[in-house]
Amino acid sequence: QQQVKQSPQSLIVQKGGISIINCAYENTAFDYFPWYQQFPGKGPALLIAIRPDVSEKKEGRFTISFNKSAKQFSLHIMDSQPGDSATYFCAASRGNSGYSTLTFGKGTMLLVSP
Amino acid sequence: EAQVTQNPRYLITVTGKKLTVTCSQNMNHEYMSWYRQDPGLGLRQIYYSMNVEVTDKGDVPEGYKVSRKEKRNFPLILESPSPNQTSLYFCASSQRSGFDNEQFFGPGTRLTVL
Repeated sequence: QQQVKQSPQSLIVQKGGISIINCAYENTAFDYFPWYQQFPGKGPALLIAIRPDVSEKKEGRFTISFNKSAKQFSLHIMDSQPGDSATYFCAASRGNSGYSTLTFGKGTMLLVSP
Repeated sequence: EAQVTQNPRYLITVTGKKLTVTCSQNMNHEYMSWYRQDPGLGLRQIYYSMNVEVTDKGDVPEGYKVSRKEKRNFPLILESPSPNQTSLYFCASSQRSGFDNEQFFGPGTRLTVL
C-alpha cells in the first residue's frame, strides 16, 4: 500500500517558469511533510518542510502548499532555473512516533530547459 | 565537515557472495537508517536504528542484516546477495526523533549482483 503518492513522474519546465509537484497521503497520523532534492550522483538533501498547522511555507523560490482536508501537499518552484534540475521526493512522517520514519513518494524528475 | 560516509561507492559482485556496505556518521546522531532506491519505486527503507544495539525492520528488510555496535557506524550486510538486490543504497542519519527530523543522507552505494 503506497502511503504517499507523488505526481508527475517527470516534468519539463522552461527557464523562468513555475514547476509544480503534487503529493497525496493516506495516513492521517502523518504530521511532518518534508521535500528532498536529489542531484545526479548525490544523496537526497532536505529542501523544505511543513507541519500541518500551517497551509503554506515559503523559502526563497520554493513554496509548500498544504491542504489538510484533502490530504494533499505540493511543491512550487517559482522562476525555475536549470540548476533546479533534479529529482524531488515528497515524504511524510509521524513526529510523535518516537522515531520519525520517513515514507517517501516515488519521486519526480524535473528538467528545467535553458 | 559534518557528513555521512559510505563505502564502497560502487560494487559488482556475484550471487551468494557475502558483502558488507559500511556507513559512518560524524554528527553524533542517534538515529540511522538504510534505504534502497530503484527506478520508479523511490526510496524504500530497509532497516533503521534508534540507538546502539537497537534496530528494527523497515519496509523491505528481506535479505538484509544490520548491526549497531557503535553510535557512529551502521553497516548493511547482505549474507547471500541475489540479483534482485541490485540497487542504489543510501545510509541516512538524524539527530532526534519527533518533529523536524531532518535526515542526512550519504552519497550512495551502487551495487550490482550478477
